[in-house]
Amino acid sequence: KNQVEQSPQSLIILEGKNCTLQCNYTVSPFSNLRWYKQDTGRGPVSLTIMTFSENTKSNGRYTATLDADTKQSSLHITASQLSDSASYICVVTPTSGTYKYIFGTGTRLKVLA
Amino acid sequence: ETGVTQTPRHLVMGMTNKKSLKCEQHLGHNAMYWYKQSAKKPLELMFVYNFKEQTENNSVPSRFSPECPNSSHLFLHLHTLQPEDSALYLCASSQEGPGFTWGEQFFGPGTRLTVL
Repeated sequence: KNQVEQSPQSLIILEGKNCTLQCNYTVSPFSNLRWYKQDTGRGPVSLTIMTFSENTKSNGRYTATLDADTKQSSLHITASQLSDSASYICVVTPTSGTYKYIFGTGTRLKVLA
Repeated sequence: ETGVTQTPRHLVMGMTNKKSLKCEQHLGHNAMYWYKQSAKKPLELMFVYNFKEQTENNSVPSRFSPECPNSSHLFLHLHTLQPEDSALYLCASSQEGPGFTWGEQFFGPGTRLTVL
């Protein structure tokens, strides 16, 4: 069964600190993996997109990595800011079935001053 | 207006009411989606429209009825809902077809629905 699991479920860090969010998936084969940021009460916004052949992708202070062998991805946030407080969702697109995006449950991050 | 817009942003309705959610995309995309997001659960795909034709109905109860009059507008008609239908309903759009392999979805802000 295609699944995407994220850890931790929630995380609290101090402003300026770094953190890493994890995504483990069983989807295979897959065409791409995305990380979305979702602010409370808003829709998800794409942060990074990686194909199965890519290992890393950066977007400002956000860096995503992908290890297709272990079926793991991580999202590293550097020098966190209060505005980083949000849910971060990992989404994997299987190669077959264009619309069968597999969503993780997300990690809720809270950045404190 | 830019991106994907949804109205209303908040909706409270009784179980016997009939209401509609509206979504409009200003990105020139050819595919639109309805998702349900409940607390502590992954996004659940409800419906997909590609070139105005419904291509996916993810076993959604008939009390939810989608309508896609054109490639820019998507509606979700609601009737005789249950309290467990309370959730955030998200609309998304994407460009599908040859040359577009990413299928990145752009989401609207959502409608927070409460069924009493």
